[in-house]
Amino acid sequence: GENVEQHPSTLSVQEGDSAVIKCTYSDSASNYFPWYKQELGKGPQLIIDIRSNVGEKKDQRIAVTLNKTAKHFSLHITETQPEDSAVYFCAASRGGNNRLAFGKGNQVVVIP
Amino acid sequence: EAQVTQNPRYLITVTGKKLTVTCSQNMNHEYMSWYRQDPGLGLRQIYYSMNVEVTDKGDVPEGYKVSRKEKRNFPLILESPSPNQTSLYFCASHKAGDVSYEQYFGPGTRLTVT
Repeated sequence: GENVEQHPSTLSVQEGDSAVIKCTYSDSASNYFPWYKQELGKGPQLIIDIRSNVGEKKDQRIAVTLNKTAKHFSLHITETQPEDSAVYFCAASRGGNNRLAFGKGNQVVVIP
Repeated sequence: EAQVTQNPRYLITVTGKKLTVTCSQNMNHEYMSWYRQDPGLGLRQIYYSMNVEVTDKGDVPEGYKVSRKEKRNFPLILESPSPNQTSLYFCASHKAGDVSYEQYFGPGTRLTVT
């Protein structure tokens, strides 16, 4: 089955700087790659996703890039703000109703 | 408001005392899942359901049961809880389809088994 790994496990950044979280996946048939944000005391919430027919997707300060050849995808957060402090999970799936495999999560801390 | 609700939010129980965590969604989603979240292990799927009366095991099903008698509800049952089931549990739901859809997560249930 699919195996998703995230690096680094914890990331501290100064407010205003950029943060990058990388994930690798093992199943070359995976074609759907979402990112979920989990704030303290809450359930994960989808913030952005990308499908394998595109290489990059942006939504305001966040962007996701996908490299299918190398089987990795990354979340980029620019101009970080304190409210970006959270745990971020990447995931991968073959799409449709196939199982979503989650990475172990990254703790991002934005230092004011 | 579209949401997934779970009850209770916090539960402390003793080994062997049967318990049920309820989950309900108001989005008419076909798919529902249960996950557990443990430090350093991320989110692991326990069970999932594709529709009413259709369920299947996820990655860590041992010690858990589920049922799907109504489309909106998907309770998680621990027949004989043990301390290694102390965890943070999330219910999630999503639409069925040819493309992948967003999973909506509940607020979580923190379970402690002593």
